Amino acid sequence: DGGITQSPKYLFRKEGQNVTLSCEQNLNHDAMYWYRQDPGQGLRLIYYSQIVNDFQKGDIAEGYSVSREKKESFPLTVTSAQKNPTAFYLCASSTGQNYGYTFGSGTRLTVV
Amino acid sequence: QKEVEQDPGPLSVPEGAIVSLNCTYSNSAFQYFMWYRQYSRKGPELLMYTYSSGNKEDGRFTAQVDKSSKYISLFIRDSQPSDSATYLCAPVGSYNTDKLIFGTGTRLQVFP
Repeated sequence: DGGITQSPKYLFRKEGQNVTLSCEQNLNHDAMYWYRQDPGQGLRLIYYSQIVNDFQKGDIAEGYSVSREKKESFPLTVTSAQKNPTAFYLCASSTGQNYGYTFGSGTRLTVV
Repeated sequence: QKEVEQDPGPLSVPEGAIVSLNCTYSNSAFQYFMWYRQYSRKGPELLMYTYSSGNKEDGRFTAQVDKSSKYISLFIRDSQPSDSATYLCAPVGSYNTDKLIFGTGTRLQVFP
């Protein structure tokens, strides 16, 4: 079955460490997105990519980095520069924004 | 003013009740309107998708759009405990933008 796979489901990180969240899709979608979700704040866009080897900053890109070397993969690195990284991270993909997004199941990152 | 606004809830109703979830938006260019449902600790899933003004029905769910007042609603008839989730609205423009804008979501609790 086609879909988006995010791993790991839960992730713990020590302060000062970088960590990479995986996102893989087999839907043949061109566009991929990373969102952060905090209680009461809804979904906030971190980065998005419409084609391979190209990506744009979203509303809260500071402290994050991404790469898009393959159509199927869009990993997100949470760097030590991110001041408040504890959150639920969601990856999504789309053939075009008018057709809606398919979301992964999310990764819950906790900084300890 | 935010582009999309939703009451965060929680909205708590007894099983069998009719639920009304609402969303307002500010950009008159929005033409398509989506509702996503998100269960706890899961990614959102597309629930309904409507175009322009009017109603669309799908089983117990009805999406209503009033473009003149920039107001969209999702009605759930005969609500069930399995409907307990967060509901997010996402209006979409007819122009070629590259990302969806989500409301903050309304948390719904249906108790037996």
